Amino acid sequence: SQTIHQWPATLVQPVGSPLSLECTVEGTSNPNLYWYRQAAGRGLQLLFYSVGIGQISSEVPQNLSASRPQDRQFILSSKKLLLSDSGFYLCAWSVQGFSGNTIYFGEGSWLTVV
Amino acid sequence: GNSVTQMEGPVTLSEEAFLTINCTYTATGYPSLFWYVQYPGEGLQLLLKATKADDKGSNKGFEATYRKETTSFHLEKGSVQVSDSAVYFCALANAGGTSYGKLTFGQGTILTVHP
Repeated sequence: SQTIHQWPATLVQPVGSPLSLECTVEGTSNPNLYWYRQAAGRGLQLLFYSVGIGQISSEVPQNLSASRPQDRQFILSSKKLLLSDSGFYLCAWSVQGFSGNTIYFGEGSWLTVV
Repeated sequence: GNSVTQMEGPVTLSEEAFLTINCTYTATGYPSLFWYVQYPGEGLQLLLKATKADDKGSNKGFEATYRKETTSFHLEKGSVQVSDSAVYFCALANAGGTSYGKLTFGQGTILTVHP
């Protein structure tokens, strides 16, 4: 069966520090991968998605970047965090092809920028 | 562009009450529609989905019917339990083009069920 893991689960970072959130998917190959953010009191916003190694699409301009160094690995990064980067970050995957394919989410990472 | 509008919460019900959470959407083409649930402190789990008009998704006593004529996908449950307390998100997946397969979410509706 397929599983998705992301880490760390919780982190508190000072303003201006770097960020690295990692996500891996097991049990499938060539998935679509996604990073979503859920800010306090708001819905989910798609940040990045990837359809293959090295292929990253950004949905909104921001202080973050994403990379996909391997087929089932997706990394969210920042060189210098802002207070507004605080939120709940969710990695997700889906099978490529059909828009009705379910998107499966990881456990999430709580980021607090202080 | 695509958008999803959910009824604003929070919604507070007594156990065994009937639940309806309204969801309407705006989209081009023929999107797939989803309901996700987020329990406290956890990620999102798929609750149910429908991929074409008039389809009914169902799971754990929850149901939603894809109504293209009213662009709606309302979530219903006949008798809620305390364990149903969570945040519920309506979402659509775009079909075709560069936005293929990505989810657009509603704002979420907080449901609290009291014993």
